[in-house]
Amino acid sequence: AQSVAQPEDQVNVAEGNPLTVKCTYSVSGNPYLFWYVQYPNRGLQFLLKYITGDNLVKGSYGFEAEFNKSQTSFHLKKPSALVSDSALYFCAVRDMDNNDMRFGAGTRLTVKP
Amino acid sequence: AAGVIQSPRHLIKEKRETATLKCYPIPRHDTVYWYQQGPGQDPQFLISFYEKMQSDKGSIPDRFSAQQFSDYHSELNMSSLELGDSALYFCASSLGPMGRGTYEQYFGPGTRLTVT
Repeated sequence: AQSVAQPEDQVNVAEGNPLTVKCTYSVSGNPYLFWYVQYPNRGLQFLLKYITGDNLVKGSYGFEAEFNKSQTSFHLKKPSALVSDSALYFCAVRDMDNNDMRFGAGTRLTVKP
Repeated sequence: AAGVIQSPRHLIKEKRETATLKCYPIPRHDTVYWYQQGPGQDPQFLISFYEKMQSDKGSIPDRFSAQQFSDYHSELNMSSLELGDSALYFCASSLGPMGRGTYEQYFGPGTRLTVT
């Protein structure tokens, strides 16, 4: 069965600095990876996904994620953080062989002015 | 630790039938979210409830309705089922909205609904 881990409960960065939110995964087959963002009291919003192709995936709001097969990681990045990026970020993985999906526990990103 | 419980785990219905999915949040969690993930699709947010009131609405069809009860469990009612309703339905719970503390969502294992 697939699983995903977000090792950091919380990430704090200053506005204008680069940010990274970490995610590692485990699947038996080929991974299908996602990042979602959740603002307070709202449902999940899709940011980006990786299926195949270029290891660097660009998504919404200036976010990107880098797929690293050897390290089984899919870290979320942004070159310059905004205060409005403060939210909860979920990594998710779907095993393309069985189509089941698993979410990480989430990482709270706080961007300070 | 207790997790989000969803029942049933699997459900098979015929077209035009109705289905009810249940979600039991983590104890003390007062907010529930519903998501639908169709085959080969990304999860789509359907609806959420906070303190028994609808707090956000996503792409929930008019044939579906949901509510949250006094014990904070939630039920998703689906009527006039269509083949396209076959999907994995996730429920998640959290402890309150922003300003009252943490609001991380914890996801249940999902209910797989098959409409034939």
